[in-house]
Amino acid sequence: SAVISQKPSRDICQRGTSLTIQCQVDSQVTMMFWYRQQPGQSLTLIATANQGSEATYESGFVIDKFPISRPNLTFSTLTVSNMSPEDSSIYLCSVEDWGGDVGTEAFFGQGTRLTVV
Amino acid sequence: AQSVAQPEDQVNVAEGNPLTVKCTYSVSGNPYLFWYVQYPNRGLQFLLKYITGDNLVKGSYGFEAEFNKSQTSFHLKKPSALVSDSALYFCAVRDALYNTDKLIFGTGTRLQVFP
Repeated sequence: SAVISQKPSRDICQRGTSLTIQCQVDSQVTMMFWYRQQPGQSLTLIATANQGSEATYESGFVIDKFPISRPNLTFSTLTVSNMSPEDSSIYLCSVEDWGGDVGTEAFFGQGTRLTVV
Repeated sequence: AQSVAQPEDQVNVAEGNPLTVKCTYSVSGNPYLFWYVQYPNRGLQFLLKYITGDNLVKGSYGFEAEFNKSQTSFHLKKPSALVSDSALYFCAVRDALYNTDKLIFGTGTRLQVFP
């Protein structure tokens, strides 16, 4: 299993500012994903972070609001831009090393609890 | 379209009693099914998965799940609950027909085990 380090673990931010969340994996992985978990709700996929190319965003999420970087196979960042209180959530990094095997399980970081005031 | 349903927001059980957390799914092809647990202020931890083979799958911390194709269910079970099992449980599915990397999660079930 992969060991995932996600930073920061929590933050309180002013509206209108931006926060960058980092996700570091202890091994090279094929797939990296970013999820949002709003209070009391399930996980919603924001985007797939593709190494060497632009991220693939899900419906309802745009690059201007959630720019993502993936410079190599062990690291990715998610930025939450121009924050509003509605962005208050837990943001989770997830990795898979499926190599085409869709039976592979995903592993998750411990999450970043963001509060926007 | 793929979907997962967890019909119970919360399940309460006394310590030592058996527990069941329900999950049903809808996919076009064969399902790949997963259970995850989330403890407070933590990320999700993988518990077990069903890909193929035996319908009864055993996983971490004494949990098991039974795949039932006719009922499109994948209920999570444990013979004897512990207070430390109290957490949020998520069922997830991937549709083999689409060979996609996306996991679809259920809404989660909060398990509360009372001493």
